[in-house]
Amino acid sequence: ILNVEQSPQSLHVQEGDSTNFTCSFPSSNFYALHWYRWETAKSPEALFVMTLNGDEKKKGRISATLNTKEGYSYLYIKGSQPEDSATYLCAFNNAGNMLTFGGGTRLMVKP
Amino acid sequence: ETGVTQTPRHLVMGMTNKKSLKCEQHLGHNAMYWYKQSAKKPLELMFVYSLEERVENNSVPSRFSPECPNSSHLFLHLHTLQPEDSALYLCASSQIAPRQGNTEAFFGQGTRLTVV
Repeated sequence: ILNVEQSPQSLHVQEGDSTNFTCSFPSSNFYALHWYRWETAKSPEALFVMTLNGDEKKKGRISATLNTKEGYSYLYIKGSQPEDSATYLCAFNNAGNMLTFGGGTRLMVKP
Repeated sequence: ETGVTQTPRHLVMGMTNKKSLKCEQHLGHNAMYWYKQSAKKPLELMFVYSLEERVENNSVPSRFSPECPNSSHLFLHLHTLQPEDSALYLCASSQIAPRQGNTEAFFGQGTRLTVV
């Protein structure tokens, strides 16, 4: 089982703050790095699938970067809103076609 | 609605019972997964069926037995479970292209299992 780590485990920010969190993963046998958003009482939903070193993807106020050589990805949220409160999961897709998830970062945005 | 349907949504079972969880995907994907979410623990990959192969996490006890009769249906058969097996069990599907990895995974709503 592969080691995919996310930090911090949880994060409290004020509405309007910008924030970021980290996903680290093995740098060998890399196929893709996925980011998911998991709201309470719902299913995880994909935000980004990133495949190339140096990739940057953006969806509204959320963006992500990827460094496959050193094995990390950052997720950024600009101007956090209460509706951004969720657990953010990254998942490492290796050559064995497995999707291994990190422990998640639980974000709570206070109004 | 994500195109992945799990039943039942909630299940309470005794330690001597046998039950099955069902997952169905309507997305034409060729890979299906079972994940376990225990309290305060990461999503744990239990089993993957992809391209007609099965990959399993060797730490999953034999009291969990998966079955994938076709690319659209996935079952998790449960027998003689323990209270520590109480958790949220999530099914997911994705499309795998050889040497290109997975597309994004779509998840079902999960089955909340309680073993008493």
